[in-house]
Amino acid sequence: AQKVTQAQTEISVVEKEDVTLDCVYETRDTTYYLFWYKQPPSGELVFLIRRNSFDEQNEISGRYSWNFQKSTSSFNFTITASQVVDSAVYFCALEGKETSGSRLTFGEGTQLTVNP
Amino acid sequence: DTEVTQTPKHLVMGMTNKKSLKCEQHMGHRAMYWYKQKAKKPPELMFVYSYEKLSINESVPSRFSPECPNSSLLNLHLHALQPEDSALYLCASSRDWLGNTGELFFGEGSRLTVL
Repeated sequence: AQKVTQAQTEISVVEKEDVTLDCVYETRDTTYYLFWYKQPPSGELVFLIRRNSFDEQNEISGRYSWNFQKSTSSFNFTITASQVVDSAVYFCALEGKETSGSRLTFGEGTQLTVNP
Repeated sequence: DTEVTQTPKHLVMGMTNKKSLKCEQHMGHRAMYWYKQKAKKPPELMFVYSYEKLSINESVPSRFSPECPNSSLLNLHLHALQPEDSALYLCASSRDWLGNTGELFFGEGSRLTVL
């Protein structure tokens, strides 16, 4: 069975602080994809990144960066110099190609609040 | 702005009412999804349509009835709902389904309250 764990339920930071959201996953698949989605108060889930299991290169996109470590089954997300607009719920998700039938398994989400 | 449009944004209905949620996308995507999301919980998959055919029904009660009239439209018909069905209903689409490794595009959701 697949599982995604986001141990941090809520995080509160002050603007301009860096913040890391943790994600740990479990899967028996050898081929899988990891995702991060952002859900602002408006409701829609916004796609941030997809990473496949064979690509462990870290990625940076502006203030966002992702650290994929297969050895620890983690896919952590860091926001540098956080801003109030980053306040949202962030979901980590896993799609296992062999067993999930291309279903996404979401973590419970981390509520990030960035205070001015 | 999201490219997946959902209407209505808010819906209040009684347990004996019949209502429908609508979803539309014009990105040429061939897979469309309904998710249910309770407060402070992740989205839960309900249905998947691939090329206008129902591919997945995650054992959803029959009081929820999906319909895909064409590749751009997805409806969710609601009848005899229970108060515990109150939730945010999210529609999503993706380029394809089988072997899909692409991103899901989500709408803003329809917030349903069942009295």
